[in-house]
This record gives sequence, structure tokens and C-alpha cells, in this order.
Amino acid sequence: GQNIDQPTEMTATEGAIVQINCTYQTSGFNGLFWYQQHAGEAPTFLSYNVLDGLEEKGRFSSFLSRSKGYSYLLLKELQMKDSASYLCAVRDDTGGFKTIFGAGTRLFVKA
Amino acid sequence: EAGVAQSPRYKIIEKRQSVAFWCNPISGHATLYWYQQILGQGPKLLIQFQNNGVVDDSQLPKDRFSAERLKGVDSTLKIQPAKLEDSAVYLCASGQTGYGTQYFGPGTRLLVL
Repeated sequence: GQNIDQPTEMTATEGAIVQINCTYQTSGFNGLFWYQQHAGEAPTFLSYNVLDGLEEKGRFSSFLSRSKGYSYLLLKELQMKDSASYLCAVRDDTGGFKTIFGAGTRLFVKA
Repeated sequence: EAGVAQSPRYKIIEKRQSVAFWCNPISGHATLYWYQQILGQGPKLLIQFQNNGVVDDSQLPKDRFSAERLKGVDSTLKIQPAKLEDSAVYLCASGQTGYGTQYFGPGTRLLVL
């Protein structure tokens, strides 16, 4: 079966660093995406990992360990506008291309 | 480059009525997705098209939901008849391929009373 777990909510302070974890179980793993979704808006692409290791893109970094079924999204120098839901999504190639989304982690950034 | 377009943005109907949503993907994108996102949950794939063919519709409630992408460009999703539990945001997304980044439209917010 397929399963993606993320914390439901997190709170962090402006200027700080926050790490959002995602664990997954899937039989045909072939890549992991992170999307950002502000309240009432559509998800927007943040990052994609298919190999183990860290991918850095400005204030955002994403890490993947395929052997552990684990990823995290690291947000540095938090800004108020980073308050949003962060969706972990796994590409599963079992029976064709399919992207499965987690429920998302709601991040609240406080002053 | 224009993004994914969807209409209407909001729709309120009564249960047992019918409703249709329209999506125009980014030009040149072969893959088109319809997702249902219930409040507080992640998007759930309803159907995935590659050009005008269906790749995956395993989670589409086929007794009431239907979708088509006749010319391999824009698409419509229909619900007939609607139930209270269909209240959700319906997101359309497109991608150049079936395994890359997906670009989402603004969504249609459906409320079934």
C-alpha cells in the first residue's frame, strides 16, 4: 500500500529555522515533491528529490533518504509569508505514473 | 506563459443537482490531472489524462463523476448527482510529462447544500 505521514501543524518564530518531516511507504517510489499551499490558494512547486541527499534552493532545502523512506523540508530565515501548508508528495510508478499527496503540514510563523 | 485556467471559481448547488467544471492546461502540457481537496486534507487524484487518454481513474467515483479531454487540451469534470460529501475544492493541474512537476490552477470551490 501507500502511506505518507507528516505532522499536522507546526509553529515557528520569524527569522528561525524549521524542519518539516515526511515519511512514506510506497512500493514503486520514483521521486518526492514538496509543494507550498497558502490558505485558499493552489499548491505551488517547491522542490523535487529523486536521489539521496540535500537539494538547496535559496531559503528552502529538501533532503531525501530512500532507504529510510524519509524526507524533510528545511526553511531558513523564516518570514511571515511562509505561513502556509507544506505538502509532501510521492511519485509511485506501480501500475503507471501516480503522485500521492500527504495531508500537509500547516506552518504558523509568529513574530 | 499563461497558467492553468479553471472555471467557475465558486459554485453552490443543492444535493442531487449536477455541476460541471472546466480546465484549460498550460499550452503544450500533455498531462492533465483532476484532484479533489477536502478541507484540511491533501489533494486526492481523481483522474489523470495523458493527451486525450485516461492514465489513471482508479479513485474516480464513476457512478457519479465523469471527466473528458476530447481534443487533448482542455477538460471538463462533471458530478451528477452531487452529494453533500462532494463539497471540496476541485483542482486541475497540468504537466509536460506524467512524472514531473505539476502546475495547479486556482481551483473551483464547490459547496453542496
